[in-house]
Amino acid sequence: AQSVSQHNHHVILSEAASLELGCNYSYGGTVNLFWYVQYPGQHLQLLLKYFSGDPLVKGIKGFEAEFIKSKFSFNLRKPSVQWSDTAEYFCAVNWNTDKLIFGTGTRLQVFP
Amino acid sequence: DAGVIQSPRHEVTEMGQEVTLRCKPISGHDYLFWYRQTMMRGLELLIYFNNNVPIDDSGMPEDRFSAKMPNASFSTLKIQPSEPRDSAVYFCASSLALAGEMWELFFGEGSRLTVL
Repeated sequence: AQSVSQHNHHVILSEAASLELGCNYSYGGTVNLFWYVQYPGQHLQLLLKYFSGDPLVKGIKGFEAEFIKSKFSFNLRKPSVQWSDTAEYFCAVNWNTDKLIFGTGTRLQVFP
Repeated sequence: DAGVIQSPRHEVTEMGQEVTLRCKPISGHDYLFWYRQTMMRGLELLIYFNNNVPIDDSGMPEDRFSAKMPNASFSTLKIQPSEPRDSAVYFCASSLALAGEMWELFFGEGSRLTVL
C-alpha cells in the first residue's frame, strides 16, 4: 500500500542549529513530492515541491529538500533554524494518481 | 484571492448529534479534498471530488460520515450521529489540475470538532 513515513515525530533544536527531517515513501515509480508546514494555529501551507528535474529543490524561508530516488526519500533541510520555524512539518507524496498521501508529521520546536 | 473557506471554525457538540462542516474552495479549482487531522493518525484523506463528483471515498471511516458537493463552490461533510472519537480538526483543501501543477493543495483553516 502507498504510505509515507516520517520517523522524527518531535525534534527540539536551538536557534542556528541545522535541521534535517526524514521522509520516506513506500515504493517507487513516478512520484510528486511535497513538504507542507503548519504553524501553530494555522492551516497547512506549501513549503516546497518536486515534480521533475533537479532533485535538490529550494523552497521558501531557506528550506530545501533532496529527492533520492534509490532511497525513496525526500528529506527536508535547513542549515540554520530560527525560532519562527517552530511548526509541524508534513511530507506528502502523490504517485501520479489523484491522491496525495501525507506522513504523520514532525513537530519542530526551536528555542532561542 | 479569498482562499479556501471553512465553517464553522470550532464546533462543540454532544454525542449523537448531527454535525455539518462546510467548505468553499478557491474559485476555478476543480478538485476538493476533505482531510481529518488527529494526534494519533496525523492527516488522513477522507474523500475527494473532481468537478463535483466523488472520486474516492475509501477513507471515510464509516457510514456515519457522508460528503456532498452540490456545485463547484460548496461542499459539506456530515457526521450523523457523532461520537467522541470523531473529535479532530477537519481540513478542506482544493487544487487545480494543470500539467506540472497538480496536487498543490490549498488548505482552509480547518474546523475543530469536539464531541463530548
